[in-house]
Amino acid sequence: AQKITQTQPGMFVQEKEAVTLDCTYDTSDPSYGLFWYKQPSSGEMIFLIYQGSYDQQNATEGRYSLNFQKARKSANLVISASQLGDSAMYFCAMRGRTGANNLFFGTGTRLTVIP
Amino acid sequence: NAGVTQTPKFQVLKTGQSMTLQCAQDMNHEYMSWYRQDPGMGLRLIHYSVGAGITDQGEVPNGYNVSRSTTEDFPLRLLSAAPSQTSVYFCASTAQRRNTEAFFGQGTRLTVV
Repeated sequence: AQKITQTQPGMFVQEKEAVTLDCTYDTSDPSYGLFWYKQPSSGEMIFLIYQGSYDQQNATEGRYSLNFQKARKSANLVISASQLGDSAMYFCAMRGRTGANNLFFGTGTRLTVIP
Repeated sequence: NAGVTQTPKFQVLKTGQSMTLQCAQDMNHEYMSWYRQDPGMGLRLIHYSVGAGITDQGEVPNGYNVSRSTTEDFPLRLLSAAPSQTSVYFCASTAQRRNTEAFFGQGTRLTVV
């Protein structure tokens, strides 16, 4: 069975500091994809970053990077130089086994950036 | 480019009423899905479609029907609304490539009283 675990219901970070949001996963599939989405208070789901299981390097997108440790089955999101606009819910997700690239989500982490 | 458009944004239903949540995408994506988001539970898959005329059940399909007559549209029908269906509903579309992200609509906040 596939499972995504986000153990931090809430996190606080000082503005301009870096923060790591944890995500661990479980799957028996050798090929899988991991995603992070941001959900601000307005409610929309915003794609941040993707990591494939066979990717040799950790994914980076601007201030976002994914610390992918395959042996530990972890895919932590690192946000550098936090901004007030980073305050939001963050969801880790794994591409499911169904034939439609569906996503299996964790329960999310609420990040609050303190000025 | 509109992306994924959901209507309505908000809806209040009485128990037993039926309604259809609309979803349309203009990216020519083959795959479309419906999720529901409940507090503390992340998003869960309701139904999905890999192309016109093909649909299948996800994790929580009971009480919902879907159809996919065109590539663009993927409506979600609540046949007889129940308070347990109070939730935020998201439609998503994805291209066929395995390493591509899902694009989400703005969500529909549904309350069943």
